[in-house]
Amino acid sequence: EAQVTQNPRYLITVTGKKLTVTCSQNMNHEYMSWYRQDPGLGLRQIYYSMNVEVTDKGDVPEGYKVSRKEKRNFPLILESPSPNQTSLYFCASYRRPEDEQFFGPGTRLTVL
Amino acid sequence: AQSVSQHNHHVILSEAASLELGCNYSYGGTVNLFWYVQYPGQHLQLLLKYFSGDPLVKGIKGFEAEFIKSKFSFNLRKPSVQWSDTAEYFCAVTFTGNQFYFGTGTSLTVIP
Repeated sequence: EAQVTQNPRYLITVTGKKLTVTCSQNMNHEYMSWYRQDPGLGLRQIYYSMNVEVTDKGDVPEGYKVSRKEKRNFPLILESPSPNQTSLYFCASYRRPEDEQFFGPGTRLTVL
Repeated sequence: AQSVSQHNHHVILSEAASLELGCNYSYGGTVNLFWYVQYPGQHLQLLLKYFSGDPLVKGIKGFEAEFIKSKFSFNLRKPSVQWSDTAEYFCAVTFTGNQFYFGTGTSLTVIP
């Protein structure tokens, strides 16, 4: 089954404690993206990757890091999380920008 | 900065009513346009997309959208909504082909 998986699905952490949210796709897509969804703000792109070792900033990259060492994986790293990063995070993969994005189930992060 | 606006935040309709959700974007160049839907408890999924050709695009579940370049708009329509259309609807645009911008979303409630 074609899918995008994210782990963990729910995470509560404290300010400053480094965390990683994993994202994996099994569709051999070149592109992957991370978004955060906040009430009243919709989805905002954090980072995207065009292929292995090729990443670029989206609209709201501050406080986040990503890496793309393998085509299927695109982890999101918060080196020092802060309460304003409390949000619902979605990973997506797609073959080309004009194609459909396939979204993961989301990770709900709370930073205390 | 580029942006996407969805003017309707909450829409409540009775079954069989017609639906039109507005979407406007700020950029005057080449764009790829999308409508995604998020049913309660589910992943975002693509309803329809436009990147070239016929400006009237038909999607799944009886939805359609019209790209009007002169108005920078890509409104979503459905002639007769059903209770199962209750969901959140997001308009999305990519201008450069890599960075995506989503609207703030419209929550649609259809009353049986």
